[in-house]
Amino acid sequence: KAGVTQTPRYLIKTRGQQVTLSCSPISGHRSVSWYQQTPGQGLQFLFEYFSETQRNKGNFPGRFSGRQFSNSRSEMNVSTLELGDSALYLCASSLWTRNEQYFGPGTRLTVT
Amino acid sequence: GESVGLHLPTLSVQEGDNSIINCAYSNSASDYFIWYKQESGKGPQFIIDIRSNMDKRQGQRVTVLLNKTVKHLSLQIAATQPGDSAVYFCAEKVTSYDKVIFGPGTSLSVIP
Repeated sequence: KAGVTQTPRYLIKTRGQQVTLSCSPISGHRSVSWYQQTPGQGLQFLFEYFSETQRNKGNFPGRFSGRQFSNSRSEMNVSTLELGDSALYLCASSLWTRNEQYFGPGTRLTVT
Repeated sequence: GESVGLHLPTLSVQEGDNSIINCAYSNSASDYFIWYKQESGKGPQFIIDIRSNMDKRQGQRVTVLLNKTVKHLSLQIAATQPGDSAVYFCAEKVTSYDKVIFGPGTSLSVIP
């Protein structure tokens, strides 16, 4: 079974721009969560989607948004990028009835 | 953002020795705990989990101990191997909220 895939793997943007990251969960997984990982703050929860509905949201500004499609694929968007948004963005998928999350390799976003 | 655990420490162990990685959690309502391993350039990988109605759980070469009295979690790795070198994260979850909160991580370095 193929793992969680994230595209693109690397991205360089400038301040003020917006970016969209994509995540394809493991086949059959209906829950997708997004995390931001930085050296200073560690792994921080952004949001979780299940059946196209946002179920949970972390403490991030409204510039961070996401959505999930009917095939469980998910996208997250960051608008008006700031230097502090430079991070590794990780996506994880899980079955609804299980807590075990499977992570993708992440998208490394650099904001200049 | 929310976080659990100590500041990121580094642990160096000799190959073949046992490793113990510790983690403190803050939410007494958390009822599910997970350990993840993250190798350089990869997303976190599930190692083992434990529910709050247990105080010990064993896997292949790994044991997780949970002490709810002092809100402490530990991961024991037997016969540590060079391939165990990675950053290890503990995470907690309050099942009713379904949001996973990660600790800052511990870097394990195995000396051949």
